[in-house]
Amino acid sequence: GAVVSQHPSRVICKSGTSVKIECRSLDFQATTMFWYRQFPKQSLMLMATSNEGSKATYEQGVEKDKFLINHASLTLSTLTVTSAHPEDSSFYICSARDASGVFYEQYFGPGTRLTVT
Amino acid sequence: AQSVTQPDIHITVSEGASLELRCNYSYGATPYLFWYVQSPGQGLQLLLKYFSGDTLVQGIKGFEAEFKRSQSSFNLRKPSVHWSDAAEYFCAVFFPGYGNKLVFGAGTILRVKS
Repeated sequence: GAVVSQHPSRVICKSGTSVKIECRSLDFQATTMFWYRQFPKQSLMLMATSNEGSKATYEQGVEKDKFLINHASLTLSTLTVTSAHPEDSSFYICSARDASGVFYEQYFGPGTRLTVT
Repeated sequence: AQSVTQPDIHITVSEGASLELRCNYSYGATPYLFWYVQSPGQGLQLLLKYFSGDTLVQGIKGFEAEFKRSQSSFNLRKPSVHWSDAAEYFCAVFFPGYGNKLVFGAGTILRVKS
């Protein structure tokens, strides 16, 4: 149980275009999902927290207009990188909190490798 | 401020040797503690977690960790390392009441030599 999927696993896009990454909780309902970013050889940094049906909360220094987050249902959150640039190339990982579970536990997706050319 | 420290960026051990990866945190109460492993290009896999109770917790793949409140530590151990354990290990801590977020340490890269 508690499986989180991400799609796509890898994506290459041209500079200036937008790309959408999906995060799904497959066997549980997730009122809260989290988006992390991981640069090569670095740790995970929380970008934003999304709550179903409300606006996402972004961490300091994260551009909300560039990284659009939508959490339209209890099993799906999307991250859209708008007007992507090479410096946005990174590994993006989502996690989800089970609505019926404990508030301090999250389940992680397998990650999406974004390369902007 | 609440923080998580993994003091060792790289560790190299011989196959069959024991392993200990260090994790310390800064917090005034008992947090919730996790260890994850990440292979290159892959996502995170949960090794073990501590919420309460017995301070020695067993995880998958033969790993264990001990919570020491007096030292604010949650070190990961394995009695005999296998070549397949080579990966990056992250300690993560959830600090209740402080944004309710999971904070990751910088990670420790484990190399296993044969």
